[in-house]
Amino acid sequence: EDQVTQSPEALRLQEGESSSLNCSYTVSGLRGLFWYRQDPGKGPEFLFTLYSAGEEKEKERLKATLTKKESFLHITAPKPEDSATYLCAVLTGTASKLTFGTGTRLQVTL
Amino acid sequence: SQTIHQWPATLVQPVGSPLSLECTVEGTSNPNLYWYRQAAGRGLQLLFYSVGIGQISSEVPQNLSASRPQDRQFILSSKKLLLSDSGFYLCAWSDTNYGYTFGSGTRLTVV
Repeated sequence: EDQVTQSPEALRLQEGESSSLNCSYTVSGLRGLFWYRQDPGKGPEFLFTLYSAGEEKEKERLKATLTKKESFLHITAPKPEDSATYLCAVLTGTASKLTFGTGTRLQVTL
Repeated sequence: SQTIHQWPATLVQPVGSPLSLECTVEGTSNPNLYWYRQAAGRGLQLLFYSVGIGQISSEVPQNLSASRPQDRQFILSSKKLLLSDSGFYLCAWSDTNYGYTFGSGTRLTVV
């Protein structure tokens, strides 16, 4: 059974204080690893897809990296508007099913 | 461009009442469609997925059912709601290996 574990569950940062979120996974036949951002009461919003170990993607203050067992979402100099829950998911199987982790709730304060 | 519509946004239903949540996709054909539930403090749980009209796969045995009467329409139903059916329901579509696009969700409270 595919498993995705995210840590920490919650993270509080001051504006400008960089940090990293972790996503570790145990799957058979990884087709891709996805990062989403979810604001309260809304559907997840796509951020990145990573397909192979060593791959990196960047978007504004966010950078996602992938190894054979885990992925990191690095947040550089965060701002309060980066506050959200960040979800990691793995894509496996022929029906393109995504298995999600429970997310990391990020709060960035002034 | 592709868009996904999900309604209603919020719903309060009594225990034992029926349920029908609808999701439609525009701008694509033959998408894979998914229903997820997100309970408070928990991750997204896949409930049903469909790779074509009339083709439904259930991931978790439960009080809910799904149907796909048209290519771009996906419906989540229940004949009699339970308190445990409360949660945030999300519809999503995918037509490639590029992950999902989610709808805005339905907050269901069963009272």
